[in-house]
Amino acid sequence: AQSVTQLGSHVSVSEGALVLLRCNYSSSVPPYLFWYVQYPNQGLQLLLKYTSAATLVKGINGFEAEFKKSETSFHLTKPSAHMSDAAEYFCAVSDRTSNTGKLIFGQGTTLQVKP
Amino acid sequence: NAGVTQTPKFRVLKTGQSMTLLCAQDMNHEYMYWYRQDPGMGLRLIHYSVGEGTTAKGEVPDGYNVSRLKKQNFLLGLESAAPSQTSVYFCASNKYRDSSYEQYFGPGTRLTVT
Repeated sequence: AQSVTQLGSHVSVSEGALVLLRCNYSSSVPPYLFWYVQYPNQGLQLLLKYTSAATLVKGINGFEAEFKKSETSFHLTKPSAHMSDAAEYFCAVSDRTSNTGKLIFGQGTTLQVKP
Repeated sequence: NAGVTQTPKFRVLKTGQSMTLLCAQDMNHEYMYWYRQDPGMGLRLIHYSVGEGTTAKGEVPDGYNVSRLKKQNFLLGLESAAPSQTSVYFCASNKYRDSSYEQYFGPGTRLTVT
């Protein structure tokens, strides 16, 4: 069975600092991988996804993530945090052998950006 | 396009009451999903549908029923609400029969059961 683990339920950075949100997955076959962002009192919005093209994936708002098969990881980074990045971030996986599109989510990481 | 909409936005129920949450999408998407979001647990799939007239159980289906009579609508029902069903409920849809495509989420329904 697939699973997703996000290390750190809360991450706090200063404005302008590097953002690193960690995601590890467990799957017998490398899955499709997604990062979603949720701003307060809103639904989820796709940041980026990995579907087995380039292992370094660029998304919206300056975020990127790198798929590392050997480490079963898909960590999210942004070189310089902005106050508007404060939100909850979810890593999710989807089974590439299934056509149901079901997502399995990690527990979420709340990003706090300090001025 | 309105995208994915959910009705209502907020609801308070007493234990044992019933209610139906409505999800509508105007993007002609095939697949639709209901999730619940609880603190520290991410989103968990309740039920999903791969097309009009079809539904299937997700990870946490107990206490919920669903129906997809029309392609654009996906209803989530609680027959006898329990405090454990206090949560934020999200509906999502996916255009293609391909798990590599993103899901589009509604704004959520915050349900409190007292």
